[in-house]
Amino acid sequence: KQEVTQIPAALSVPEGENLVLNCSFTDSAIYNLQWFRQDPGKGLTSLLLIQSSQREQTSGRLNASLDKSSGRSTLYIAASQPGDSATYLCGGGTGANNLFFGTGTRLTVIP
Amino acid sequence: GAGVSQSPSNKVTEKGKDVELRCDPISGHTALYWYRQSLGQGLEFLIYFQGNSAPDKSGLPSDRFSAERTGGSVSTLTIQRTQQEDSAVYLCASSLSGVNEQFFGPGTRLTVL
Repeated sequence: KQEVTQIPAALSVPEGENLVLNCSFTDSAIYNLQWFRQDPGKGLTSLLLIQSSQREQTSGRLNASLDKSSGRSTLYIAASQPGDSATYLCGGGTGANNLFFGTGTRLTVIP
Repeated sequence: GAGVSQSPSNKVTEKGKDVELRCDPISGHTALYWYRQSLGQGLEFLIYFQGNSAPDKSGLPSDRFSAERTGGSVSTLTIQRTQQEDSAVYLCASSLSGVNEQFFGPGTRLTVL
């Protein structure tokens, strides 16, 4: 069974800092990978999707990369803002069905 | 356009009762997923529907759980004889097809007393 680890579990940074969130899979045969944010009491909001033929995706201040050989992904957030405070989840798929999720990284950006 | 919607947003029930949770996917999305998020745990896959194919039920935790998807659109997750360990947030997601970006609904918070 695919196991997903997200490091760190929690992170607190001052506003303006760049930061990296990590995600790793026990089975490196990842077909696609999606990063989400989850605000308290809310559902998941999709941030970036890396599909099978891709290695990274960028959207605004966010950049996600996937190293399929090692089964690791990183989410880079540039110039963090208080509005970025949320829990960040990575979900990896091994085929055309469900994603396997980590327990998330809880990010707090301090003004 | 409208996103994935779920109802009810909150459900409190007594142990042993049956509950039904509803999901309305994004129009035109052929793939639909149910996940469960328990306190302090990651999202756990429950069931996956893709078009008219037989659903992937491999994540259902017991035979008390079932789901159907009528007309390739709305889905209902049914939990029979609820137990306290069923308390969780139940999330539904849809995607254009099985390998595309998944979009999540706001979830249904189920509390079993």
